[in-house]
Amino acid sequence: QSALTQPASVSGSPGQSITISCTGTSSDVGSYDLVSWYQQHPGKAPKLLIYEVSKSPSGISNRFSGSKSGNTASLTISGLQAEDEAEYYCCSYASSSSLIFGGGTKLTAL
Amino acid sequence: QVQLVESGGGLVEPGGSLRLSCAASGFTFRDYYMTWIRQAPGKGLQWVSYISISSSYTNYADSVRGRFTISRDDAKNSLYLQMNSLGADDTAVYYCARGRGGAYYYGLDVWGQGTTVTVS
Repeated sequence: QSALTQPASVSGSPGQSITISCTGTSSDVGSYDLVSWYQQHPGKAPKLLIYEVSKSPSGISNRFSGSKSGNTASLTISGLQAEDEAEYYCCSYASSSSLIFGGGTKLTAL
Repeated sequence: QVQLVESGGGLVEPGGSLRLSCAASGFTFRDYYMTWIRQAPGKGLQWVSYISISSSYTNYADSVRGRFTISRDDAKNSLYLQMNSLGADDTAVYYCARGRGGAYYYGLDVWGQGTTVTVS
C-alpha cells in the first residue's frame, strides 16, 4: 500500500499560520475519520498532535488543529513558533486493518 | 510516569534474526493495543505490526508478514518483535507505541525512544 501524500516541505514566518495536506484514497483517509498527526524533532520519537481527524490529546497546544475533506486531511498550525520547526507525519487507518503513514513534511520556521 | 523502553537492537547479518523487546511502565499494559513502527535512516515512519488486547488479533505490514512475529507478555508488561530472515531493507529505528482509546487506530499516544537495527 502506497504512503499517504504530503508535501515534502513547508515554511512560514513566526506568527503566521501554515497548513500541511495529507492525501490518501477512498480505502483510507476518505473512508474513515481515523487520521492522526505526529510531530518529530530530529533524533526524537514522534509525538501525537491530533487523533480522529480533529481531536487533541491533553497537553497539546490549541495552535494545532486538524480537518478532513474527502480523501485529504489537513493539519493547521497557527501562530507559528520557532519550536514548531520539525517533521510532521499524517497517519490513517486503512481498510486492510493496517496503518498507513504519509511521507512526512519538513516545516521550516523562517 | 508512563514510559516505553525498547531494547534488543543491534547489528545483524543478512538472513539473520533479532528479537526486540519493549518494556512498559506507568500504565496498565494489558488494557492497551500495542504497535511497532519503524523508520529507515533519513526516511519516514512505517507501520510494522499491531497486537490487540489479550493477543487476540495481530496484523503485519506486507513487507514483514511471514518474517516478523509480534507478541506480548502482560505479566511482564512487555511487547516483543521477533524478526527473521532480515534484509537490508529492515535497517531502521524500531519504535514501540501504545494505541489510545482501546484500539490501534485512534492515535498512538505513547512512544518509546527507539532501538536501532542494522542489517549488514
